[in-house]
Amino acid sequence: DTAVSQTPKYLVTQMGNDKSIKCEQNLGHDTMYWYKQDSKKFLKIMFSYNNKELIINETVPNRFSPKSPDKAHLNLHINSLELGDSAVYFCASSQDPRAGDTQYFGPGTRLTVL
Amino acid sequence: AQTVTQSQPEMSVQEAETVTLSCTYDTSESDYYLFWYKQPPSRQMILVIRQEAYKQQNATENRFSVNFQKAAKSFSLKISDSQLGDAAMYFCAYRSALDNYGQNFVFGPGTRLSVLP
Repeated sequence: DTAVSQTPKYLVTQMGNDKSIKCEQNLGHDTMYWYKQDSKKFLKIMFSYNNKELIINETVPNRFSPKSPDKAHLNLHINSLELGDSAVYFCASSQDPRAGDTQYFGPGTRLTVL
Repeated sequence: AQTVTQSQPEMSVQEAETVTLSCTYDTSESDYYLFWYKQPPSRQMILVIRQEAYKQQNATENRFSVNFQKAAKSFSLKISDSQLGDAAMYFCAYRSALDNYGQNFVFGPGTRLSVLP
């Protein structure tokens, strides 16, 4: 069974479009995250969400918005895509960040903006 | 802000040999967690090993072990009996125990490990 899944795995789109990436976890975790990995493999957190609170990294443009229909899902919506948004986006989840619980990552979505 | 440094962008090891990947971090905190993640070509991020800073004993997981030197702020990963499947990018990561929301999960720049047959 896949613990954290993301769809699609690859996404190619034109500048200016709006797109979504879906994430689901079946681990029963309370907290989910979105990360961006740039072309230099540098991983940076974008959001964390624990059912009650959304914490946004201040460097993330407001064109990015996470949406959580329920505890097991945290989708990422991106409006007005720009060339610089091209990257691999990872979803992750953990049970209790305060306990230093391990984050489990999805397989990643490679977004290419043309 | 905490930073994580991996000074070896690339390393290689002969199959069945042992290799050590370096990681240093900068923090003023005393309680935190350290991780090593592996990212193979499939891009999946896979947890290799986890260490709690308050534990003096080095974590081990089968062929993987760490050398945690808290005073030196060093957290190296040793891979014994290297296998072809160990070839991947390895990321060292730090998380503060004060971080309630997992927001400050800081990753190093990664070390690309090649395993030679």
